[in-house]
Amino acid sequence: GQQLNQSPQSMFIQEGEDVSMNCTSSSIFNTWLWYKQDPGEGPVLLIALYKAGELTSNGRLTAQFGITRKDSFLNISASIPSDVGIYFCAGQWDTDKLIFGTGTRLQVFP
Amino acid sequence: DTGVSQDPRHKITKRGQNVTFRCDPISEHNRLYWYRQTLGQGPEFLTYFQNEAQLEKSRLLSDRFSAERPKGSFSTLEIQRTEQGDSAMYLCAGAGTVNNYGYTFGSGTRLTVV
Repeated sequence: GQQLNQSPQSMFIQEGEDVSMNCTSSSIFNTWLWYKQDPGEGPVLLIALYKAGELTSNGRLTAQFGITRKDSFLNISASIPSDVGIYFCAGQWDTDKLIFGTGTRLQVFP
Repeated sequence: DTGVSQDPRHKITKRGQNVTFRCDPISEHNRLYWYRQTLGQGPEFLTYFQNEAQLEKSRLLSDRFSAERPKGSFSTLEIQRTEQGDSAMYLCAGAGTVNNYGYTFGSGTRLTVV
């Protein structure tokens, strides 16, 4: 099945550092979403972006919807140990199915 | 608790056996999705229901797979004659008309075929 290109594949950072990850697609989307998944659990929605160019924050998380509608990035500032997990981007067209990225695995060391 | 329940959480079955998973979304979820996630990958779309109508099926959903949502509430996903390649996490997600985007996932059913 189709998957979006997400980078980096994994990140190992120290607590307190900022993190940046991005997602690109060959197709345009109406909505970009960022999810976090803990081991053995389903993905949990972090941020939803609805308009090209939109910049949205949720606490220490900031995400942007690229102006070409083919990309998005997620920043996490001042990382903490509970930020550990796998982060997925997902693109959506209207209320259609989500197309997920390949994931970025984040490890935070104290 | 996300409000979307999946049962069982884990299932180990022998190759060739049939398995059935259940998903219970919240009452406001008129849309229900099934996804499959293999190790190291993002979830991949399998099928989608609007109320009781199955509106789309992925090419990933072979004829051994069948999904139902008989009363527009809970849904079941059945896999017949399981194969080792069916081993994966099966995720269900619900969405309502109010929140059209970023639907809510359940915790998934992890299937292991031995």
